[in-house]
Amino acid sequence: QSVLTQPPSVSAAPGQKVTISCSGSTSNIGSYYVAWYQQFPGTAPKLVMYETDKRPSGIPDRFSGSKSGTSATLGITGLQTGDEADYYCGTWDSSLSAGVFGGGTKLTVL
Amino acid sequence: QLQLQESGPGLVKPSETLSLTCTVSGDSITNSAYFWGWIRQPPGKGLEWIGIIHYNGRTYYSPSLKSRVTISLDTSNNQFSLNLNSMTAADTAVYYCARRASGKIWFDPWGQGTLVTVSS
Repeated sequence: QSVLTQPPSVSAAPGQKVTISCSGSTSNIGSYYVAWYQQFPGTAPKLVMYETDKRPSGIPDRFSGSKSGTSATLGITGLQTGDEADYYCGTWDSSLSAGVFGGGTKLTVL
Repeated sequence: QLQLQESGPGLVKPSETLSLTCTVSGDSITNSAYFWGWIRQPPGKGLEWIGIIHYNGRTYYSPSLKSRVTISLDTSNNQFSLNLNSMTAADTAVYYCARRASGKIWFDPWGQGTLVTVSS
């Protein structure tokens, strides 16, 4: 059972937009920035969003991030088949004094 | 270019201690701007945060693993290590090492990961 809650799966057609939610509490998302990671099968996670809404170099502006209260959202517009991957949110939890991740969301581009 | 590479045994017997090493190139683990961390992922499951260490010796561990885990630095070889004792089948996972900036919450970059299987 992950501290952060994500939907197990989301799907959308190529070219469409999808959002992935990450729900937490006041001790984690409510108090800290959120990061998002993209993971393809058999490979290491890759950072695609940091400080909630900032994109690392090389991440297209089709990717966006936001936060409201104790929930965060990763948005991807203009979906491409190459975006099909697992996505994880992560942050810090002050009550645990440790980092936490969501359970992951499998994105399917139909 | 910063690179991290995990190394260690692919197979560990139940009740034994796992020892993994992460070799860092392109940066120094004595760089005070960063923490160095471990994350694991059981087969087919999600990511689990294990712990992080700073050059000043400060460590943070997951409460669920704290009683069994130790992360340490080897500055002479620019490596950091993970020791996890009393291994069980539930500890079977891909173990990743990664860098985390001080005062930040994200890991970047990550090593490629190494699969550790617990079996007799």
